[in-house]
Amino acid sequence: EVQLVESGGGLVQPGSPLKLSCAASGFTFSSNWLNWIRQAPGKGLEWVASINPDGSSTYYPDTVKGRFVVSKDNAKNTGYLQMNNLRSEDTAMYYCARRLSFDYWGQGVMVTVSS
Amino acid sequence: DIQMTQSPSSMSASLGDRVTITCQASQDIGNNLIWFQQKPGKSPRPMIYYATNLANGVPSRFSGSRSGSDYSLTISSLESEDMADYHCLQYKQYPLTFGSGTKLEIK
Repeated sequence: EVQLVESGGGLVQPGSPLKLSCAASGFTFSSNWLNWIRQAPGKGLEWVASINPDGSSTYYPDTVKGRFVVSKDNAKNTGYLQMNNLRSEDTAMYYCARRLSFDYWGQGVMVTVSS
Repeated sequence: DIQMTQSPSSMSASLGDRVTITCQASQDIGNNLIWFQQKPGKSPRPMIYYATNLANGVPSRFSGSRSGSDYSLTISSLESEDMADYHCLQYKQYPLTFGSGTKLEIK
């Protein structure tokens, strides 16, 4: 069974860093793209980052470029989203999802940026 | 960036109604569009791939179509379990962009 489980969320102050993890199981993680998507409370979905199977290529929207870094450790079947210089507008539920078809999603992890 | 204009933002329909939700792309995206269903407190679930292909396990009352730059998700006969938010996503080019979402309520 394909599973993605996010962890690492919480309450942080503006300007702080935070690293999210996405633990994968039930499929060959090393052969798959990984994506991060977020959803602010009561709002729509926003794509945050994508990384190719071997981790050699990464993609971001301008809203997070230069602050967020996506990576994956294929030996540990885990993806990561390092978030730096967090802002109040980064407050959201963060999801990881598999493949460019977004066929499986994790349950999400909440990140709250507030002083 | 490609803008995805989704409409309506919300709607209310009766059981058995035919319901259509639309996303309009600001540039050519071909058929590189996914429709998602998201129920309250849950993660999004893909319903339609490549604009017109039903995802595994999705009821046949759901369908996707394209007319030029307009992409539609249609529910042929609304059931109570279809109450949810619906989102479109274009993956033709980066940055990937979602529509603003449609909240579907049952009358």
